[in-house]
Amino acid sequence: DTAVSQTPKYLVTQMGNDKSIKCEQNLGHDTMYWYKQDSKKFLKIMFSYNNKELIINETVPNRFSPKSPDKAHLNLHINSLELGDSAVYFCASSQAGRGQGNEQYFGPGTRLTVT
Amino acid sequence: AQSVTQPDIHITVSEGASLELRCNYSYGATPYLFWYVQSPGQGLQLLLKYFSGDTLVQGIKGFEAEFKRSQSSFNLRKPSVHWSDAAEYFCAVVSTSGSARQLTFGSGTQLTVLP
Repeated sequence: DTAVSQTPKYLVTQMGNDKSIKCEQNLGHDTMYWYKQDSKKFLKIMFSYNNKELIINETVPNRFSPKSPDKAHLNLHINSLELGDSAVYFCASSQAGRGQGNEQYFGPGTRLTVT
Repeated sequence: AQSVTQPDIHITVSEGASLELRCNYSYGATPYLFWYVQSPGQGLQLLLKYFSGDTLVQGIKGFEAEFKRSQSSFNLRKPSVHWSDAAEYFCAVVSTSGSARQLTFGSGTQLTVLP
């Protein structure tokens, strides 16, 4: 009964390849996020979707394309992978509109290594 | 823009000793604040949160945090540290991006527990 799940957990690929990471939440939340954690453990928001609508799109190369087929899923597709894309990518979800902040629940992360 | 500062990159304590991890935020209104913990190779787990009301909040695993508006701080404390508390700790504040809310994280504090 994992709340936020991601697949795969590890992803090793070569430069120039295209890859996808999938995220699913079973919490009934309406908002989902992608974060990138670099080698220094710094966490930065990349994207956020609310009810399948993109609401946050930080300065991210357009090689990164999120897709939300429904409220429970948010996938991240990355084209033409570069060495600098190596990082841990976290998916998270929350319920917006409650007026009491933005308590987010995180998935276990996907460690992407580009060689 | 909202921001979070965690002044201590790395803290080492002995098992059984008390712990305090510092967090300072920058936010104009009443902030929504969180502490998350990340164990090695794991995702982020919510320890506790502050939205309003009592400035001393209790969390899971015996942690507590105190919101001090005058000092713009939200420090995390634990009276007696266990070896299993060794992890990376992140303070976060809800920030707004247009009409969307997101979490802005501090740079993290790595906790080492000595036997």
